[in-house]
Amino acid sequence: AQTVTQSQPEMSVQEAETVTLSCTYDTSESDYYLFWYKQPPSRQMILVIRQEAYKQQNATENRFSVNFQKAAKSFSLKISDSQLGDAAMYFCAYYETSGSRLTFGEGTQLTVNP
Amino acid sequence: KAGVTQTPRYLIKTRGQQVTLSCSPISGHRSVSWYQQTPGQGLQFLFEYFSETQRNKGNFPGRFSGRQFSNSRSEMNVSTLELGDSALYLCASSIPGQGGLSSYNEQFFGPGTRLTVL
Repeated sequence: AQTVTQSQPEMSVQEAETVTLSCTYDTSESDYYLFWYKQPPSRQMILVIRQEAYKQQNATENRFSVNFQKAAKSFSLKISDSQLGDAAMYFCAYYETSGSRLTFGEGTQLTVNP
Repeated sequence: KAGVTQTPRYLIKTRGQQVTLSCSPISGHRSVSWYQQTPGQGLQFLFEYFSETQRNKGNFPGRFSGRQFSNSRSEMNVSTLELGDSALYLCASSIPGQGGLSSYNEQFFGPGTRLTVL
């Protein structure tokens, strides 16, 4: 079974600084997708960024970028120029196309200090 | 386009009762997935429905069931509630792919239903 591990239960960053959230996963599949979701206090899950496993280029969405290391099964999220609105729980997730399901990590609670 | 809606947003039940939660997907979306979120177990996949058929199921007991209607709206039912069923139940809708690497389509999540079992 695929597993996703986020080893940082909590992280904090100063406003305007950069922070990196870590994620590792385990799979025997060669084709899959990886995601970072944000869940603010409202509990609404919001997709932050996605990465297709077959793509070597790391995905970027404005201030958010990933470092995808397929051989190491590592998928970290870098948030640049952190803003107060970035404060939330962040989940790393794996999607197996055969199973049509998302497998989530435990989450990392990000605090942004003014 | 309206987002995914879930009703009710909050629910309080007692042990032994049963509960039905509803999810209306985004218009045009035919796949609905359900997830349970608890502090102890995190986010776990319950099941996925497509074209009124359960296409995938997670590791939950038979007390958890669901269905999907012809308009793609989905309901999930939990019978004989236990204290451990207290959770945030999230549903997500998507336009399902036809298989293969390109089959992923983004899952859009609803706001969730907070179930408390006393």
